[in-house]
Amino acid sequence: GNSVTQMEGPVTLSEEAFLTINCTYTATGYPSLFWYVQYPGEGLQLLLKATKADDKGSNKGFEATYRKETTSFHLEKGSVQVSDSAVYFCALSEMQVTFGSGTQLTVLP
Amino acid sequence: EAGVAQSPRYKIIEKRQSVAFWCNPISGHATLYWYQQILGQGPKLLIQFQNNGVVDDSQLPKDRFSAERLKGVDSTLKIQPAKLEDSAVYLCASSLEGGRDQPQHFGDGTRLSIL
Repeated sequence: GNSVTQMEGPVTLSEEAFLTINCTYTATGYPSLFWYVQYPGEGLQLLLKATKADDKGSNKGFEATYRKETTSFHLEKGSVQVSDSAVYFCALSEMQVTFGSGTQLTVLP
Repeated sequence: EAGVAQSPRYKIIEKRQSVAFWCNPISGHATLYWYQQILGQGPKLLIQFQNNGVVDDSQLPKDRFSAERLKGVDSTLKIQPAKLEDSAVYLCASSLEGGRDQPQHFGDGTRLSIL
């Protein structure tokens, strides 16, 4: 079956540091890939998505590129802010949506 | 637009009792999902509806869990009887359609604690 593997957290960075959260997947077909974010006390919300190989999703300074050859969809941001502190979930959508286990990010001022 | 509404926000019950959760999706969204999120894990799909029909309930523990979506709008998820391992956050989500490209919109969830 399909699966998503995220780098384990928690991740702690200083403000303005570079962020990478690794995500790799296993799928039987050609899924769409998503990053969702959950801010403290809030529900999950879509951060970005990519629907086919080599697509780049971007939003709020975050980017991720759909890499079919490495089955990866790593999340990156060049300069994180304290307000980016949240839990980030990688997900794939094919017949159903499969989520990773989430990565807790804390950004210190 | 109004988001996905869920109630209650919190529920505490004893094992073997029953509990029900309610969800009102975004207006016009045909597809509705129920997820179980255990602490430290990602959401796990329990059931997916397209309008008022079930599309996927392969991971729903049908001996104790049931869900319905009457009239293709609101939905309820029930657990009867509850077990200790059912302690989790129950998330409802909706999307315009059920296609793989469609992002889902999530409610704030119901946190269930079983004593």
